[in-house]
Amino acid sequence: GEDVEQSLFLSVREGDSSVINCTYTDSSSTYLYWYKQEPGAGLQLLTYIFSNMDMKQDQRLTVLLNKKDKHLSLRIADTQTGDSAIYFCAESNRDDKIIFGKGTRLHILP
Amino acid sequence: DARVTQTPRHKVTEMGQEVTMRCQPILGHNTVFWYRQTMMQGLELLAYFRNRAPLDDSGMPKDRFSAEMPDATLATLKIQPSEPRDSAVYFCASGLGQGSLNEQFFGPGTRLTVL
Repeated sequence: GEDVEQSLFLSVREGDSSVINCTYTDSSSTYLYWYKQEPGAGLQLLTYIFSNMDMKQDQRLTVLLNKKDKHLSLRIADTQTGDSAIYFCAESNRDDKIIFGKGTRLHILP
Repeated sequence: DARVTQTPRHKVTEMGQEVTMRCQPILGHNTVFWYRQTMMQGLELLAYFRNRAPLDDSGMPKDRFSAEMPDATLATLKIQPSEPRDSAVYFCASGLGQGSLNEQFFGPGTRLTVL
């Protein structure tokens, strides 16, 4: 079945770049997403990329998609304390459902 | 400011009791999802509805869990009887489904503790 894998933890110093990686198995994915979950809150869409793109940039965020290797990454430039959260990689195809990874907890070191 | 609302935000109950969680999806959204989040399992899809019809509840323990949409403004998730292993945060999400970006909008969650 469809699966999304990502590492569970990442620690980064404030001001450095954070890179969160993800792999997925569904070759028919149409959208790939990064959701952010802050403490005590639900998930919120942070950014997304269509499967026919290989890069998307949005201010401090850069999403890279390697469709051949089924690899998605999220780079956060100049990481701030407010970026501390859980980041979920996710994908969907022609279905209503979104398949989420287990989330990567990003910890910011002072 | 359209958002998904969930009640209650916190629930502490004793094993064996019935628990009902409620969700009001964003007006106009035609898909509703129930998820459960735990440290061990991450985010699990329990059930989802399209136009109020249940389409997939394969992630839900059928013997004790039930999900319904009595009308377009209310989705409910019931656990009867509750067990300590049901302790988790339960999220409701709504969206416009396939054919769009398929973004799901999450509520703030109900934190359930079963003693």
